Amino acid sequence: NAGVTQTPKFQVLKTGQSMTLQCAQDMNHEYMSWYRQDPGMGLRLIHYSVGAGITDQGEVPNGYNVSRSTTEDFPLRLLSAAPSQTSVYFCASSYKGQSGNTIYFGEGSWLTVV
Amino acid sequence: GDSVTQMEGPVTLSEEAFLTINCTYTATGYPSLFWYVQYPGEGLQLLLKATKADDKGSNKGFEATYRKETTSFHLEKGSVQVSDSAVYFCALRSNSGAGSYQLTFGKGTKLSVIP
Repeated sequence: NAGVTQTPKFQVLKTGQSMTLQCAQDMNHEYMSWYRQDPGMGLRLIHYSVGAGITDQGEVPNGYNVSRSTTEDFPLRLLSAAPSQTSVYFCASSYKGQSGNTIYFGEGSWLTVV
Repeated sequence: GDSVTQMEGPVTLSEEAFLTINCTYTATGYPSLFWYVQYPGEGLQLLLKATKADDKGSNKGFEATYRKETTSFHLEKGSVQVSDSAVYFCALRSNSGAGSYQLTFGKGTKLSVIP
């Protein structure tokens, strides 16, 4: 059972570099999203998608781009990394519809920007 | 907007002690409520959930009851083990609007259980 798969698990970037965090799910979920986790802040929503071709901003979208060309994949792009983007990133997915539907998380990507 | 407030900790308990982590929420309508657990170096796993008032979620000896009158969803366990050491997050998911696409999280409570 693959579930939600994120890569890479660890990454160190220099300020100004770009990179893409990959996320794939094999559960045919309509909803996918990206969160960042910072100490003492809980998890905050960056971007989300309600289906292929549809994306929208969350609470902290600045500095990040997303696209959803297929149901399975939802990559997160950092165009010009900044130290403030040092964080742990989680991809998540769920079925649409009822609020009780569980949101499943990937194992996280630890990103350090130096 | 929606918000979740939980006991921030850290919490340190001896093995077999009783655990309570308080969680209260603010939301319009009738959200679903969740507890997630994050073990060191790992991602978030769903621990338990409740989708309507007076529902009790339970898993691995943990319990939480959805109390609409007090807008609370406190996590409890009667006898903690060293293996329960982790960070626990309370979260809600709205049943309408943009909030239905996401979870709103508390800041997390770090639990350490010592032998």
